[in-house]
Amino acid sequence: SQTIHQWPATLVQPVGSPLSLECTVEGTSNPNLYWYRQAAGRGLQLLFYSVGIGQISSEVPQNLSASRPQDRQFILSSKKLLLSDSGFYLCAWSVDYYNEQFFGPGTRLTVL
Amino acid sequence: DAKTTQPPSMDCAEGRAANLPCNHSTISGNEYVYWYRQIHSQGPQYIIHGLKNNETNEMASLIITEDRKSSTLILPHATLRDTAVYYCIVKGGSQGNLIFGKGTKLSVKP
Repeated sequence: SQTIHQWPATLVQPVGSPLSLECTVEGTSNPNLYWYRQAAGRGLQLLFYSVGIGQISSEVPQNLSASRPQDRQFILSSKKLLLSDSGFYLCAWSVDYYNEQFFGPGTRLTVL
Repeated sequence: DAKTTQPPSMDCAEGRAANLPCNHSTISGNEYVYWYRQIHSQGPQYIIHGLKNNETNEMASLIITEDRKSSTLILPHATLRDTAVYYCIVKGGSQGNLIFGKGTKLSVKP
């Protein structure tokens, strides 16, 4: 069966520090991968999606970036965090555009 | 922007059926209706999806009107663990991007 992992589960970082969140998927090949953010009291917002290694599409302008160095690994990064980057970050995968997305447990990021 | 309209909140008694409505009057022919739910502090969980026929799985039933402009998610016997925010999402086949609105906060009460 397929599983999706995210780490860390929680993170507290100072403003201006770098960020690296990792997501890995097991039990499937060539998945579509997604990064979402949920700010406090707000809905989920799609940040990035990827249909293959090295292929990243960005949905909103921001100081975050994403990379997919391996088929089942998706990384969310920032060189300098802002206060507004605080939120609940979720990684998801799907077989293709048509099928449902499965979400990971999320990383709760607090920028102080 | 989300293409769906849902009531912000609903209550349901434990053991009763929970019927969650969703309006999607601008849905186009190749767009599916998806339902997810999010229990507090967890990632969203897929529930069910459909195109035009009614669908049923172990979690819920999805009833889509004939004109496809609205749908209802039915949890046949709600439990306290079904308390969550339920999202109705319309997604086209050529795009894999879910656009989450504010959803319906379902509170199941004993």
